[in-house]
Amino acid sequence: SQQGEEDPQALSIQEGENATMNCSYKTSINNLQWYRQNSGRGLVHLILIRSNEREKHSGRLRVTLDTSKKSSSLLITASRAADTASYFCATGLNNDMRFGAGTRLTVKP
Amino acid sequence: DTGVSQNPRHKITKRGQNVTFRCDPISEHNRLYWYRQTLGQGPEFLTYFQNEAQLEKSRLLSDRFSAERPKGSFSTLEIQRTEQGDSAMYLCASSLVTEETQYFGPGTRLLVL
Repeated sequence: SQQGEEDPQALSIQEGENATMNCSYKTSINNLQWYRQNSGRGLVHLILIRSNEREKHSGRLRVTLDTSKKSSSLLITASRAADTASYFCATGLNNDMRFGAGTRLTVKP
Repeated sequence: DTGVSQNPRHKITKRGQNVTFRCDPISEHNRLYWYRQTLGQGPEFLTYFQNEAQLEKSRLLSDRFSAERPKGSFSTLEIQRTEQGDSAMYLCASSLVTEETQYFGPGTRLLVL
């Protein structure tokens, strides 16, 4: 399966700290995306990185992709209480997108 | 609001009843996707449409589930003879053919008693 697997399953940090979440997958991909989901709500797209890219930035977000290791990481810098949510990686191949189980991030004020 | 909308937001039903959910995608998006999400898990792909054609169905989509997109705009997902195991959040997403990013609606939370 090309489904991503996030690590850790849960992460708790203090406001202002950085949060790093990892995603591993098993098959070839065209792209990898990160989404955020607040409790009981829909998913919000954060960032997409293509298989020929190694790093992308968007505001306080930094995503890396290592296709040789089949892994990606999402770094949120200077976290805020409002960043508390579940974060999912989704691997994309030929219009197919598959999600992992997510990392539950709690940012304490 | 020009985002993806879903109705109803919540549905409680008794086992054995039929339910139907509606998704209105972003207006210019020709692809529409349905996912199911259970507590503590990521979304699981169910099916997707390109315009009115249903191009892929997951094996998760049993014969009790049917999805339509008759005019290539809104879509409906019907579950017949609901079971308690159908309790989940049903998410709809849409995208352009030319883009990989999918935009999600708020979901319909189904509880089967």
